[in-house]
Amino acid sequence: GENVEQHPSTLSVQEGDSAVIKCTYSDSASNYFPWYKQELGKRPQLIIDIRSNVGEKKDQRIAVTLNKTAKHFSLHITETQPEDSAVYFCAASNSGAGSYQLTFGKGTKLSVIP
Amino acid sequence: NAGVTQTPKFQVLKTGQSMTLQCAQDMNHNSMYWYRQDPGMGLRLIYYSASEGTTDKGEVPNGYNVSRLNKREFSLRLESAAPSQTSVYFCASSALAGGSGELFFGEGSRLTVL
Repeated sequence: GENVEQHPSTLSVQEGDSAVIKCTYSDSASNYFPWYKQELGKRPQLIIDIRSNVGEKKDQRIAVTLNKTAKHFSLHITETQPEDSAVYFCAASNSGAGSYQLTFGKGTKLSVIP
Repeated sequence: NAGVTQTPKFQVLKTGQSMTLQCAQDMNHNSMYWYRQDPGMGLRLIYYSASEGTTDKGEVPNGYNVSRLNKREFSLRLESAAPSQTSVYFCASSALAGGSGELFFGEGSRLTVL
């Protein structure tokens, strides 16, 4: 099955700096890569996703890049703000196989220091 | 529009006791899921229901059973709770197959097994 590795497990940045979280996946057939944000004590919520037919996607201060050859994808947050502090999870799946299973990484705890 | 609602939010059990976690969604989604979240382990899929009347095992199904009662409701049962089942449980639903569309999570149920 799919295996998703996520790094780093913790990340501290100064407010206004950029943050980058990286994930690798094992199944070359995977084609859907979402990112979820979970604030302390809250439910995970989708913040951005990318499909394998594109290499990059942006939404305001967040962007995701995908390198299919290397089987890795990354989340980039620019101009970080204290409200970006949360745990971020990457995930991967092969939606073409009618898969109902997302495989999640173990998460990155991002702390933005004011 | 409440989204995904799960009960109870907190529960303490003794080893060997049984309990059922209830989940309901009002978004007319076909697919529903139960995940568990443990520190440093990310989100792991226990069971899912691709559509009303079907259920399938996920990554960590041992010790659990599920029932898709109707399109709205999907319950998770622990027949004989064990300390290893101490975790936060999240129910989720999606309009598309979970491997290709946004998951909407409930608020979570924190279960402690003594």
